[in-house]
Parts: sequence; structure tokens; C-alpha cells
Amino acid sequence: QQQVKQSPQSLIVQKGGIPIINCAYENTAFDYFPWYQQFPGKGPALLIAIRPDVSEKKEGRFTISFNKSAKQFSLHIMDSQPGDSATYFCAASRNSGYALNFGKGTSLLVTP
Amino acid sequence: DAGVTQSPTHLIKTRGQQVTLRCSPKSGHDTVSWYQQALGQGPQFIFQYYEEEERQRGNFPDRFSGHQFPNYSSELNVNALLLGDSALYLCASSADRGLNEQFFGPGTRLTVL
Repeated sequence: QQQVKQSPQSLIVQKGGIPIINCAYENTAFDYFPWYQQFPGKGPALLIAIRPDVSEKKEGRFTISFNKSAKQFSLHIMDSQPGDSATYFCAASRNSGYALNFGKGTSLLVTP
Repeated sequence: DAGVTQSPTHLIKTRGQQVTLRCSPKSGHDTVSWYQQALGQGPQFIFQYYEEEERQRGNFPDRFSGHQFPNYSSELNVNALLLGDSALYLCASSADRGLNEQFFGPGTRLTVL
């Protein structure tokens, strides 16, 4: 069964827009929540990660918002660019180095 | 500093055959994990190796087996290939006994005919 549910499946925004991708989990033992970016033909690349002791984390144009009580977290991409067009995956695990449980991914297209 | 490397890049096999995929972790990393990514899906965890032992295993049949060598490199073996084994196989490595972030390689694209 899918331990992490991700939405939307696809997203189209104009350059400069702020795409938001949402994820939800059930297992309260999860304590590490990374986001990965994947381009066609490439492996996933770690973008940003958060632990449940903080509600928000920013790195450059990427922000994670975390709601522990709702068991939800989301990725915001500020001032999105066409080069951000890729597939984004959220994931969760009991520890940063343990088995990652991935969502099904969101295909993002940023139009010029 | 080379990142995680995998070989081969692409592979075509027929049903019933066996395949071996290889992974070299990022320099300084001691833990290797393998994931299967079907087309249009997120990666699914197969297993993880640390100190040449399988430390964790996902929901995959015994046809999937692995090995880690003293230099931390790893192999993934799949026996009795099925059409459904066609996927991108990803290797990820991490440091400090696997307590740090996982970095992924480019993957091996396996096609089973």
C-alpha cells in the first residue's frame, strides 16, 4: 500500500508562479521528509528535507511546510522558472538513511 | 568527486533470464540502497546493505538478491525475470552507517521482453 500520498499528479504554471505540491502520510514513526527532483533519464536529486520538529524550512526558492498534527507536508517553489520543469517526489522514512517511501510523483511544467 | 555510478546504463533481457546490476557509491559512503522505479511511478525500496549485510528489505520476492563488497560497492541480482521487472533500477548511497541523506545514481534501465 502507498504509505505516502502525493497530489496533484501534474501541474502547469507560468514562469514566476508558485507551484504547490502536497503530500500526506499515515505512519507516525516517520521522522524524515525529503523532496526529490527528477529529470528525464536521470536519478532523483535531493532538493530539501525537513524533520517534524520544525514547521517550515527554506532553501533558496524551495520551501517545505510541515503540519505534524495533520500528517501533511508540502513543497512550494517560489518564482518558478522553465528549468524547474521536472518530476517532483515527496518521501518519508523513519530516518534519513533508512528505506524511503516515495509518493507517486508530480510532473511540473513551467511555461515561459 | 564522482557521485554514485551505476552500470550498465541500459539492458535488454528476455523472460526467465538472470541479470546483475552494479553500483559504486559516492566517495565516503558506506551504505547502499536499491530501488525499483516503474514508468510513471515513484521509486520502490528493494533493500539496503551496510557492512556487507542486508540491513533492510522491502516487499520484493526472493528473486531479488544483492551483495555488498568490502569496498562498499554493490550488486543487485534478479533471477527468473518477468515482464513486470522492466523498470529503472536506482542505487542510492549514504554515509555514517546510513544515518545521512541518500544520494541517487542515474539508474539502469532494464527492459524484459
